[in-house]
Amino acid sequence: QSVLTQPPSVSAAPGQKVTISCSGSSSNIGNNYVSWYQQLPGTAPQLLIYENYKRPSGIPDRFSGSKSGTSATLGITGLQTGDEADYYCSTWDSSLSGRVFGGGTKLTVL
Amino acid sequence: QVQLQESGPGLVKPAETLSLTCTVSGGSVNTYYWTWIRQPPGKRLEWIGSINYSGGAKYNPSLKSRVTMSIDMSENQFSLKLNSVTAADTAVYYCARFGEGASYVEYWGQGTLVTVSS
Repeated sequence: QSVLTQPPSVSAAPGQKVTISCSGSSSNIGNNYVSWYQQLPGTAPQLLIYENYKRPSGIPDRFSGSKSGTSATLGITGLQTGDEADYYCSTWDSSLSGRVFGGGTKLTVL
Repeated sequence: QVQLQESGPGLVKPAETLSLTCTVSGGSVNTYYWTWIRQPPGKRLEWIGSINYSGGAKYNPSLKSRVTMSIDMSENQFSLKLNSVTAADTAVYYCARFGEGASYVEYWGQGTLVTVSS
């Protein structure tokens, strides 16, 4: 079981907005930066959000990140069919002395 | 643009050692932290460990007793060795580079599937 908890799946219609939550604790999210990754089917993960809310160059502003306490959230607006993918949150866990990933959330754009 | 490419055997026998190499282009291994991450089929990502040019390495505590990472600056490569493998080590193995501050993975290799089977 992951120390970071994500919903297994979310879905929404094209053009709509969706949020994906990532719940942790004070030993991980509460005191460390969160990053988010998109993994399209059959491909390597790609960085979407780093240091809680920052977007790398080339990532559209439809993707946003936030953090509050021991939880983080990824938001995606203007959903497109090309956004169908698995999304993972990640951070450092001070108690485990290691980088941890959430269990992943499968996004379906209906 | 930094590019990473994993190489190594796709099939390893149980109890043997899994060895992978990551060749880096568009950047030098003597800066930043470099890492290995794996993903068993249909499962979540798992951090294996990270290393920097000075040889400082951090390993996942659950794998620490079996993992060794190294950097070869002359070849601009870094490597992973995982010994005493079992079927549970079957996974896609990714090499990757952390970004500034080492709080996020900025660049990923395409991944290579390693199957542990006799």
